[in-house]
Amino acid sequence: ETGVTQTPRHLVMGMTNKKSLKCEQHLGHNAMYWYKQSAKKPLELMFVYNFKEQTENNSVPSRFSPECPNSSHLFLHLHTLQPEDSALYLCASSQDLGRNYGYTFGSGTRLTVV
Amino acid sequence: RKEVEQDPGPFNVPEGATVAFNCTYSNSASQSFFWYRQDCRKEPKLLMSVYSSGNEDGRFTAQLNRASQYISLLIRDSKLSDSATYLCVVNKTCTNAGKSTFGDGTTLTVKP
Repeated sequence: ETGVTQTPRHLVMGMTNKKSLKCEQHLGHNAMYWYKQSAKKPLELMFVYNFKEQTENNSVPSRFSPECPNSSHLFLHLHTLQPEDSALYLCASSQDLGRNYGYTFGSGTRLTVV
Repeated sequence: RKEVEQDPGPFNVPEGATVAFNCTYSNSASQSFFWYRQDCRKEPKLLMSVYSSGNEDGRFTAQLNRASQYISLLIRDSKLSDSATYLCVVNKTCTNAGKSTFGDGTTLTVKP
């Protein structure tokens, strides 16, 4: 496999459920990111990891819990979500945190909270 | 004022037309700039970086004007397949490496 792979592609969960989103990159990149894209809103940065260390938490509620076991894998653990958390969750990677590196995005997980 | 503002659009143009999008940014210390393309219900994909000297990739030309704090994307000879939302992305200073700010996007529809 190549690029950035996200699973699942679609997820419907109740507000009391616990689920996890998975992201894997095969590009040898060192930095990984979680972004949220809601309807009619720009992409919002959630978390940044560099060499599997978290470098940024953009004031994300604790019901979203990231995990980065190594530079190739990134998880987003979800629990007690709200309907307004329904959105497209995008994982991305870049070579490094250097300012000249663009992102490679995964296909995203479209999450619906009911 | 938003950190990154794009032309609101939408842009509806005929095939073969030339279309240009502008994007302004508020932080004068911003270091790097990109254009991404996002198709409906798909992930954003990097279209091109924007360099101070301007850069061209086939029908696409990107330019940066640091004095006026804007970047632009010019598409010549539009194709139907160019229909998408174009996202302007600005990276902040070295101390905030990794924190990119995305614009709201400008939607382009190319019609036959």
